[in-house]
Amino acid sequence: ETGVTQTPRHLVMGMTNKKSLKCEQHLGHNAMYWYKQSAKKPLELMFVYSLEERVENNSVPSRFSPECPNSSHLFLHLHTLQPEDSALYLCASSGIQELNEKLFFGSGTQLSVL
Amino acid sequence: KQEVTQIPAALSVPEGENLVLNCSFTDSAIYNLQWFRQDPGKGLTSLLLIQSSQREQTSGRLNASLDKSSGRSTLYIAASQPGDSATYLCAVMRGGATNKLIFGTGTLLAVQP
Repeated sequence: ETGVTQTPRHLVMGMTNKKSLKCEQHLGHNAMYWYKQSAKKPLELMFVYSLEERVENNSVPSRFSPECPNSSHLFLHLHTLQPEDSALYLCASSGIQELNEKLFFGSGTQLSVL
Repeated sequence: KQEVTQIPAALSVPEGENLVLNCSFTDSAIYNLQWFRQDPGKGLTSLLLIQSSQREQTSGRLNASLDKSSGRSTLYIAASQPGDSATYLCAVMRGGATNKLIFGTGTLLAVQP
């Protein structure tokens, strides 16, 4: 257990559905991240929040909408997704005191878009 | 644009063998390099972090080296065990205000009992 919890573990949704992924960290960190992991491709950084403020939006389509209500919680709201959005979505957190802080990852949400 | 490459993509070895995983990156202006382990369907576990000013880091049977000028890192696993079977990912941290990691595609390791 890394201290970063993601729910749900698995999600199947149709292209017209709206769903949300949740991430919670119990490590006292002030930065949280969403990564996308597709088959045969490197992990792609999607969003970064530092002190609850979005500091990075890595050219992610608007059908993905992040929300960080406090430093312990991070959401990814999904709507009108495409089949190519099927992937493992990983949340991570870290401290912000220095640049050599390690990232701690959750177990991910395996998303399938039908 | 920073690109991270890992060779080989897959590796199968008998138990007890020492092995080396390779990682290369195109831009030597990095803050650190990290090695992660990922078990099937799971998240990533941080193994080692080497700061840009360091040459190597060790943790148990794992030793990671960094040659920033040539854009290379190796992860050495001594006396491999079946429990070491997983995907190993390396990632470099680029400059900027937050800890943004650029990942390679990983090496899938299978240690045969």
